[in-house]
Amino acid sequence: KNEVEQSPQNLTAQEGEFITINCSYSVGISALHWLQQHPGGGIVSLFMLSSGKKKHGRLIATINIQEKHSSLHITASHPRDSAVYICAVMANTDKLIFGTGTRLQVFP
Amino acid sequence: EPEVTQTPSHQVTQMGQEVILRCVPISNHLYFYWYRQILGQKVEFLVSFYNNEISEKSEIFDDQFSVERPDGSNFTLKIRSTKLEDSAMYFCATAQGRNNEQFFGPGTRLTVL
Repeated sequence: KNEVEQSPQNLTAQEGEFITINCSYSVGISALHWLQQHPGGGIVSLFMLSSGKKKHGRLIATINIQEKHSSLHITASHPRDSAVYICAVMANTDKLIFGTGTRLQVFP
Repeated sequence: EPEVTQTPSHQVTQMGQEVILRCVPISNHLYFYWYRQILGQKVEFLVSFYNNEISEKSEIFDDQFSVERPDGSNFTLKIRSTKLEDSAMYFCATAQGRNNEQFFGPGTRLTVL
C-alpha cells in the first residue's frame, strides 16, 4: 500500500474551472509539500504546510492533520496550469515520500 | 531569486561506466538530497546529506552510489558502474534546515545504453 495516495490520477478541465486535487497519507508527518512538475520534468515547490491553509495567487492548499488529508485548489484555472501536481510528505525524517501525482490538463 | 542548479541536463552513458551528477545548492542551504524518478513512475528518495555526512539513505542507494561535497559548493552523486535500470531523472534538492521547505533543481536525465 502506498503511504501517499492522490486522487484523481488524471483531471481535465475547461479554462476558468475550479480544480481540487486530493492527497491522503497513512504515516505521521511533520509537513506536507505540494509540488508542480512540468512536461520538461522540472519540479517546483508550490507549498509546504503543516497545519491550516496557505494561499498563493490562485492556488490554495489545506491540510487536516487529524484526518491525514490535504487538498490543493486552483481557482480560475488556465491552460498554463497544465502540469503534474505531486503531494509529498515529510515523515519522521526529513526525506520526502511522494505520491504518484495528478496529471491536470486545462483546455481553453 | 536563488535557485538550485544541476549539470549536466542530460547524460548518456554506456552500461558499466561511471557518471557524476552535479548540483549547486542555494548558498545558505545546509541540507542536501538526491531523488530519482524512473520514467512513468513516482519520485523516490535516494539519500540525504548534512555536515559532510550521509544522514539517511534508501535501499536503492547501494554500494554503487556515493555522494560528496568536495569543494564546499558542488554536491555530487556518483554512480560507479551504471546499469540499464539506473536510467532515470535525478533531482537534487536543498533546504536551509532539516524540516524546512526543499527546493529542487531542474534535474539530470541519465540514459544508460
